[in-house]
Amino acid sequence: EVQLVESGGGLVPPGGSLRLSCAASGVTFNKYWMSWVRQVPGKGPEWLANINRDGSGSYSVDSVKGRFTISRDNANNSLFLQMNSLRAEDTAVYFCAREHGSAGDYWGQGTLVTVSS
Amino acid sequence: AIQLTQSPSSLSASVGDRVTITCRASQGISGGVAWYRQKPGKAPQLLIFDASSFPAGVPSRFSGSGSGTDFTLTISSLQPEDFATFYCQQFISPPFTFGPGTKVDI
Repeated sequence: EVQLVESGGGLVPPGGSLRLSCAASGVTFNKYWMSWVRQVPGKGPEWLANINRDGSGSYSVDSVKGRFTISRDNANNSLFLQMNSLRAEDTAVYFCAREHGSAGDYWGQGTLVTVSS
Repeated sequence: AIQLTQSPSSLSASVGDRVTITCRASQGISGGVAWYRQKPGKAPQLLIFDASSFPAGVPSRFSGSGSGTDFTLTISSLQPEDFATFYCQQFISPPFTFGPGTKVDI
């Protein structure tokens, strides 16, 4: 069974940094693109970034370019999101998802990031 | 970035009803649309990919159609677990934007 488990969320002051992790199991991790999606409670999801199978290429939404970096460690079946220069509007639940076909077919349970002083 | 709109934004229905939700893209996206159901406090669950294909384990009451700019999700007979919010997402051109959602309640 495919499982994705996010960790690393928490309370961080504006301007601070946080590194999110996503541990994958039950999947041949290096065969799939992976992505990060966030969701402000009560709002719709926002796709943030994805990364190709070997980690050599990625895409991201303009609102996080230059601040957030997606990466992966295929040897340890892990996906990461390094978040710098955090703002109040980055407060959200952050999900990792496996991309397969034209969709995110497996998702983690999410980790909450709160940016506040 | 490609923008997606959904209609209606919310609807009231009963168990057994047939429900149709539409998703419109700001430019042609071929068949690169996915549909998700999300229950409160949970991650989105994939229902449909490539506009009309469904993953293993998704009930047959869900179906998708459309191409170009207009797409539809149909639930043939609404079940209690379908009282949730439904989102479309385009997978043609990054950023892979989501629609604003359609909330289905009783």
